Amino acid sequence: AQKITQTQPGMFVQEKEAVTLDCTYDTSDQSYGLFWYKQPSSGEMIFLIYQGSYDEQNATEGRYSLNFQKARKSANLVISASQLGDSAMYFCAMREGGYGGSQGNLIFGKGTKLSVKP
Amino acid sequence: DTGVSQDPRHKITKRGQNVTFRCDPISEHNRLYWYRQTLGQGPEFLTYFQNEAQLEKSRLLSDRFSAERPKGSFSTLEIQRTEQGDSAMYLCASSSTGLSEKLFFGSGTQLSVL
Repeated sequence: AQKITQTQPGMFVQEKEAVTLDCTYDTSDQSYGLFWYKQPSSGEMIFLIYQGSYDEQNATEGRYSLNFQKARKSANLVISASQLGDSAMYFCAMREGGYGGSQGNLIFGKGTKLSVKP
Repeated sequence: DTGVSQDPRHKITKRGQNVTFRCDPISEHNRLYWYRQTLGQGPEFLTYFQNEAQLEKSRLLSDRFSAERPKGSFSTLEIQRTEQGDSAMYLCASSSTGLSEKLFFGSGTQLSVL
């Protein structure tokens, strides 16, 4: 079963508008972490934001925020005031806490390609 | 902090040949990961190490793939008897231990099997 599901293969957004990229996850662990990465056409993987399963507040990092809905098992990325440089692939990822400590493995979704239009 | 470095950046080989890639993690990181990524897809987990111990290996990983991390520093990923389906970007990443620890990725090795 897929652990991370990103249902939007591609998204378009107008420059300066906000956009939400969807991510749902599947885990039976109570402790887990959720990550978002950006991969521009140049190929490097850039960390954007992290949300822990026990964090009470939604994570924010500059123009990025994570809309965490634990009961729905969703961790959507919101980008405010889109810029042309935001055009890239975006990946949601999860690390499960496991038993007796954190597991190391980070599982990625298939990604969403975001295109920002001028 | 010089980041995660991978060598070579590109590798072209003929089917049936063996190839080896190297990854040098960030020096203070005790975890090292290998992923494979094909065009338009997310990184697919292959294996990871904590120090020199290989803690997990993907069930999808063929026996032709082997990874080592002697002395808990750099790592090598070897693919024996390469097949055309092995063509992909091979990404290495490192991190510290902890649930919230983000992965730092290298630039990857692009493998083309002819």
